[in-house]
Amino acid sequence: DIQLTQSPSTLSASVGDTVTITCRASQSISNWLAWYQQTPGKAPKVLVYKASALESGVPSRFSGSGSGTEFNLTISSLQPEDFVTYYCQHYYSYSWTFGQGTRVEIK
Amino acid sequence: EVQLLESGGNLVQPGGSLRLSCTASGFTFSHYAMNWVRQAPGKGLEWVSTISTTGGSTYYADSVKGRFTISRDNSRNTLSLSINNLRPEDTARYYCVKDGLRYCSGDCHFDYWGQGTLVTVSS
Repeated sequence: DIQLTQSPSTLSASVGDTVTITCRASQSISNWLAWYQQTPGKAPKVLVYKASALESGVPSRFSGSGSGTEFNLTISSLQPEDFVTYYCQHYYSYSWTFGQGTRVEIK
Repeated sequence: EVQLLESGGNLVQPGGSLRLSCTASGFTFSHYAMNWVRQAPGKGLEWVSTISTTGGSTYYADSVKGRFTISRDNSRNTLSLSINNLRPEDTARYYCVKDGLRYCSGDCHFDYWGQGTLVTVSS
């Protein structure tokens, strides 16, 4: 089974900062990767799919990159509502795996 | 507007059974594979199961294989998850989740999520 490892587990930043979350796969997954955002008490929301495609309605300050085994989610100019938890997900060939999550907290 | 409404969660003793349901609206249900994802209290997301558009193909995480059964009724726009032999580690919020594209064959992200239904396994 493919494993996904996110880093860091917790990230401290300030409003207006640019931050990057990394997701590493245990083997190559091409670009079959999505990123989700979860606010406490709410269901996750997709931000990016196929590694770099921005979901409709998601602000352009979110961007995804990478292929193979290393992927990044970059949030430019952090807004107050962005201080929540983010998950990467691999999906391909009837296999679905989530990373353990990255919490973005206010410094 | 896409809506996914789960029901059926409850407090159950270890070894017990439950049937979770999800009623979908706002999209052509029969065109999309559907999924269950769970989240234990304070923990991360875990994919549980996926069913194809027709219901002819089903997939399960190793942790639930043999105990969980996913099914769907396209005439009623409903998705179900039957859970047997519940264990304390099955305690979680269970989300009904829609595939992001029509007619995917195991290569789709997820787009819409319900609000989840809580299953608690405890004596």
